[in-house]
Amino acid sequence: NAGVMQNPRHLVRRRGQEARLRCSPMKGHSHVYWYRQLPEEGLKFMVYLQKENIIDESGMPKERFSAEFPKEGPSILRIQQVVRGDSAAYFCASSSGHQETQYFGPGTRLLVL
Amino acid sequence: DQQVKQNSPSLSVQEGRISILNCDYTNSMFDYFLWYKKYPAEGPTFLISISSIKDKNEDGRFTVFLNKSAKHLSLHIVPSQPGDSAVYFCAAIQGGSEKLVFGKGTKLTVNP
Repeated sequence: NAGVMQNPRHLVRRRGQEARLRCSPMKGHSHVYWYRQLPEEGLKFMVYLQKENIIDESGMPKERFSAEFPKEGPSILRIQQVVRGDSAAYFCASSSGHQETQYFGPGTRLLVL
Repeated sequence: DQQVKQNSPSLSVQEGRISILNCDYTNSMFDYFLWYKKYPAEGPTFLISISSIKDKNEDGRFTVFLNKSAKHLSLHIVPSQPGDSAVYFCAAIQGGSEKLVFGKGTKLTVNP
């Protein structure tokens, strides 16, 4: 009965490098959401995906950030050319359908040096 | 533009007493509200939710109250236990959307 899995749990990158964050939803869940938490802030919605489709990316920064949820394999949040301001905790959540409860993974803590 | 506000960054209560965590919202289109609990270095854990058609939902020691006219909800924990010490996030969602909008959280400390 595995929950939402995220890896890596911690990621250190230097400015200009790429960061790839992975999320495997709970078994039976086909809806994936990414949220970002900056220090001392609440979680902020980034993107909502279903298999092979981006449904809502209204919270994604316009540049350098992309997300995918392929037919096979985990969902990936990709940040190109990272900057110090990208340092944050990135949480993935999954649900079984529209308007169903979202269950969160343990997060990936990204530190940009 | 904070649509969901948790005005108390922290709350300290004695074990066995009631903990009351408050949350206010500004968007009248929100129709579903959730509380999540978060321990350090872990993801948020779903606790309890309430639909806007109800004014109360209870699950064991946890009760959520919703006052739509005041755009206010609260989470009551009774009796409080030391294991309840965590950060509690209020979240809201608008009909037709899948976007959870979170408050900044309230850190609850339950003292033995």
